[in-house]
Amino acid sequence: QVAEFGGGLVKPGGSLRLSCTASGFSLYDSWMNWVRQAPGKGLEWVGRIKSRNVGATPDYAAPVKGRFTMSMDDSKNTIYLQMDNLTTEDTAVYYCTALSRFEGVIFMSRWGRGTLVTVSS
Amino acid sequence: DIEMTQSPSALSASIGDRVTITCRASQSISRHLNWYQQKGGKAPQVLIHGASNLEPGVPSRFSGSGSGTDFTLTISSLQPDDFATYYCQQSYYMTTFGQGTKVESK
Repeated sequence: QVAEFGGGLVKPGGSLRLSCTASGFSLYDSWMNWVRQAPGKGLEWVGRIKSRNVGATPDYAAPVKGRFTMSMDDSKNTIYLQMDNLTTEDTAVYYCTALSRFEGVIFMSRWGRGTLVTVSS
Repeated sequence: DIEMTQSPSALSASIGDRVTITCRASQSISRHLNWYQQKGGKAPQVLIHGASNLEPGVPSRFSGSGSGTDFTLTISSLQPDDFATYYCQQSYYMTTFGQGTKVESK
């Protein structure tokens, strides 16, 4: 399972850090994603962080690159999404997902319940 | 970036109907195409991965096909539990979602 924490209300230009704790599997060999969904809109990929055994390197979608930073804490089996310089366009439910691979294809096999981030003055 | 175009954006159907949703990629993605179902305000769940592999626990009335740029999700006989929004997603290079297809009751 995965569970997100840390959503809330933040002013434009502010910062917020989300966390996602994995249980039942290890981040040592699991890739993780963040996906968001603005109110009434579709799903949007935010970024991913590779597993620790391949360097835990992150990749970001263009709209958040340079403002969002992903990291991993092995000891807590937790990943983080540090969001800086937030705008109203970042208002969304943020989902943490675990990635699986089958026959060479990566897909999002486990989803958290999501945490709501509201950016408003 | 790889763009994913889903159609239709919404459809109305009755119980027992055969429902087909299509997804087109802006470039070839081989079979790196997954389908998700989202009900109400809940988190999405994977239905099909690798274009045609049914996730364990998903009813066999769901099926997927395609490769390259054109893909299809089919519900062979629509059930009450299937009214939801469906998304395709490519994982060939990073990730992109289609805009979603809302399946509503006629």
